[in-house]
Amino acid sequence: AQSVTQLDSQVPVFEEAPVELRCNYSSSVSVYLFWYVQYPNQGLQLLLKYLSGSTLVKGINGFEAEFNKSQTSFHLRKPSVHISDTAEYFCAVIGWNNNDMRFGAGTRLTVKP
Amino acid sequence: SQTIHQWPATLVQPVGSPLSLECTVEGTSNPNLYWYRQAAGRGLQLLFYSIGIGQISSEVPQNLSASRPQDRQFILSSKKLLLSDSGFYLCAWSDGYSNEQFFGPGTRLTVL
Repeated sequence: AQSVTQLDSQVPVFEEAPVELRCNYSSSVSVYLFWYVQYPNQGLQLLLKYLSGSTLVKGINGFEAEFNKSQTSFHLRKPSVHISDTAEYFCAVIGWNNNDMRFGAGTRLTVKP
Repeated sequence: SQTIHQWPATLVQPVGSPLSLECTVEGTSNPNLYWYRQAAGRGLQLLFYSIGIGQISSEVPQNLSASRPQDRQFILSSKKLLLSDSGFYLCAWSDGYSNEQFFGPGTRLTVL
C-alpha cells in the first residue's frame, strides 16, 4: 500500500512571495502522484499530476511540482502567490497497479496581503 | 464532457436517524466510484469504492454502507447516525486508466 506525508499543516505567506508545499510518499510499487486544491466547502480540483516522463510537471494557476524518485518527494511550488491561492492543498499517490488513492492530511495555504 | 453530482449539498440530522447521500456521474460509462469523508481539519478518508454495479469494497469498518444500484449511481447510507459521522462527504469517479479522480461538490453532514 501507499502512504503520503504532507510535512506542513499550515503555511502562511505574503502575497507575491514564493511558496513550496512539501509532500513525501512511500510505496513498494511505481506510483502516480497528484496535487489537488480545495476551496472552502467545495470538492477537490486537480492542480497537476505526474504519470511518467519529465519529472517537472506544470499545472494550472501557475503551480508546478517536481517528482524526485530518490527522495520519494513531490513538492509543489509557485514563484509568486496571490490572495486567491488561499486554500487547502492535498497531495495524493496511487500505485500503478491498483485503484487505491491515498491522500495526505492537507496543507492550508494562507496568503496575506 | 463528464460531470458528477452530489445531493444534498448540506444536511443536518439528529443522532440515530437514517442517512442517504446520492452521487451520480454523467458522460461516462463503467466508472470507478469512490466515497470519501473529510473530518474538520483532517485529510480525506476513503470509505468505499466500487469498480462495477453491485461491487462494493469497504475500507473502514463503521456504521455506514454503500450501494451501486446503477452503473453511474453511488449511494452512501446509514441506518443510525452517530455524532462522529459529521463531516464533509465527497464522491469521486475515475475511468480506471488515467488514475486521476474527479470529485463532486461534496455534502456537508452535521449530526446533532
